[in-house]
Amino acid sequence: QQQVKQSPQSLIVQKGGISIINCAYENTAFDYFPWYQQFPGKGPALLIAIRPDVSEKKEGRFTISFNKSAKQFSLHIMDSQPGDSATYFCAARSWGFQKLVFGTGTRLLVSP
Amino acid sequence: DTEVTQTPKHLVMGMTNKKSLKCEQHMGHRAMYWYKQKAKKPPELMFVYSYEKLSINESVPSRFSPECPNSSLLNLHLHALQPEDSALYLCASSQDLASLRLDTQYFGPGTRLTVL
Repeated sequence: QQQVKQSPQSLIVQKGGISIINCAYENTAFDYFPWYQQFPGKGPALLIAIRPDVSEKKEGRFTISFNKSAKQFSLHIMDSQPGDSATYFCAARSWGFQKLVFGTGTRLLVSP
Repeated sequence: DTEVTQTPKHLVMGMTNKKSLKCEQHMGHRAMYWYKQKAKKPPELMFVYSYEKLSINESVPSRFSPECPNSSLLNLHLHALQPEDSALYLCASSQDLASLRLDTQYFGPGTRLTVL
């Protein structure tokens, strides 16, 4: 119940296209859902995060869509660029707990 | 400034060596974390410090020994490691452990550890 399932494992998108990464969870106590971007040899960097009281959050080309009833959330990257090529991790955290539960990661490659 | 710094960037050690990893943040954060990350895997939580006290130990072997000398510094002391301990070791910090607001964890660049 503490797992966060992430798909796809890898994704190839053409430049200018939309990249979509999906995550699903079971634990209804999760109340914070961040997405992290990680380049090879670097630490994860927070990209965008959402609380379950909103259904969508947009920051620039990055949008989180959240479906509380389905217990799913997704990251959309609009106008994908080669510089977006990285590994993306979704995560979730319960109220009152410090531990982030990470998804398994999605390796995104944006072809020029 | 949302920077977490880690030293060294790379470390190669033998199984009988003793070494330390260092992490520093100047954001006034009161929670600090150590993670271990293997290639193509998500970060795995090892330890959490809250207000300089160990809050969580995720059943980490005693050959890893964390230390929090003050609110800005976090160390990870390494002794008698095994080759399977080779990984990227990440430090992170967050404002505090009150969960009434979004509590972003900021990660450092990591130390790439190789155990021979």
